[in-house]
Amino acid sequence: EDKVVQSPLSLVVHEGDTVTLNCSYEVTNFRSLLWYKQEKKAPTFLFMLTSSGIEKKSGRLSSILDKKELSSILNITATQTGDSAIYLCAVVGQGAQKLVFGQGTRLTINP
Amino acid sequence: DTAVSQTPKYLVTQMGNDKSIKCEQNLGHDTMYWYKQDSKKFLKIMFSYNNKELIINETVPNRFSPKSPDKAHLNLHINSLELGDSAVYFCASSPWAKHEQYFGPGTRLTVT
Repeated sequence: EDKVVQSPLSLVVHEGDTVTLNCSYEVTNFRSLLWYKQEKKAPTFLFMLTSSGIEKKSGRLSSILDKKELSSILNITATQTGDSAIYLCAVVGQGAQKLVFGQGTRLTINP
Repeated sequence: DTAVSQTPKYLVTQMGNDKSIKCEQNLGHDTMYWYKQDSKKFLKIMFSYNNKELIINETVPNRFSPKSPDKAHLNLHINSLELGDSAVYFCASSPWAKHEQYFGPGTRLTVT
């Protein structure tokens, strides 16, 4: 069964700090890894990483896929209070249209 | 607005009742999904439809029955509700064969 584990489960930092969130996976026939941000309601899409696109960046957020280590990191630099959210990692494997999610990392940014 | 929408946003009901949640997307996507998010925030897929055809059916009790009248709508009917059904239910959609899924705002179901 496909599995995704995120760490840490919870993280509290001060505004301006840089954070790194981790995601490791076990999946049959890996196809892609996705990062989502969940505030109060719907998860919103951040990045998708594949074998042909192992690094993505958008503003202060960046993500890298390490296929050898079966893991990914999500970096957020110069954090702001608006970055406070649960960050979800998901993978797509053999069940091609199915996202398998990790349990999420709850990130809290204090002013 | 271009989005995935769900109704209702909140649903409080008693054990044994039957209830439905509706989902609509105007993104022009072919594939729609239902996910359940439990109290520990784990999001787990329940069903997926592509162009009105069921393609994913995870280990979900028979009391849950999805229905897709057209490719823009996917409804979820739940019979004989149980306490353990309390959760947030998310609808999502994606273009066919694309992995990036777009989520609705969720329906918080509370069974008392």
